[in-house]
Amino acid sequence: DAKTTQPPSMDCAEGRAANLPCNHSTISGNEYVYWYRQIHSQGPQYIIHGLKNNETNEMASLIITEDRKSSTLILPHATLRDTAVYYCIAIMDSNYQLIWGAGTKLIIKP
Amino acid sequence: SAVISQKPSRDICQRGTSLTIQCQVDSQVTMMFWYRQQPGQSLTLIATANQGSEATYESGFVIDKFPISRPNLTFSTLTVSNMSPEDSSIYLCSVATSSRSSYNEQFFGPGTRLTVL
Repeated sequence: DAKTTQPPSMDCAEGRAANLPCNHSTISGNEYVYWYRQIHSQGPQYIIHGLKNNETNEMASLIITEDRKSSTLILPHATLRDTAVYYCIAIMDSNYQLIWGAGTKLIIKP
Repeated sequence: SAVISQKPSRDICQRGTSLTIQCQVDSQVTMMFWYRQQPGQSLTLIATANQGSEATYESGFVIDKFPISRPNLTFSTLTVSNMSPEDSSIYLCSVATSSRSSYNEQFFGPGTRLTVL
């Protein structure tokens, strides 16, 4: 599975869009990009995933570059409850062994 | 989605004892997993709990230390045996539902916070 690189921490103002980057330059053609988040003292929560097209759901949008070497998770209107550690994982759909990196600690400020 | 509960939510145990953690899901699921999250660290997969057969363990984890049962499609237990302070962690159960096209859309329980003295 491809290794991912994320900034260790980011701040964002409440109500603004939070853009979380992820580099996965060694991703292979059949590896998806998954995003999870973990709010303090809770289990991780699935957010979104994609292969090469941009994806949107009720929680977030995922923008994947054309060469698939990087992606950005967008929380369109961040709230204080979005403060969490966000994990980007690149993995083949047939492989369920998620490899968790250090993630990005996102702090939403009032 | 699936709703997952874990018992106990937290415990403080003495060195050398064992603790069994329960994971209950509100629907039948194909895949169940156990993770460990050491203080300040990310998650590490311990094993996949297989219904009706022995669990599949990841490198660095063995059945004698972390025996796992999965008697049906909604329930699993993880035992942390002969505990030492290094076993102090949060233990998380997760599931992937058979209705999903991907086993990587996993749902997690709230975790069990274990402290070993």
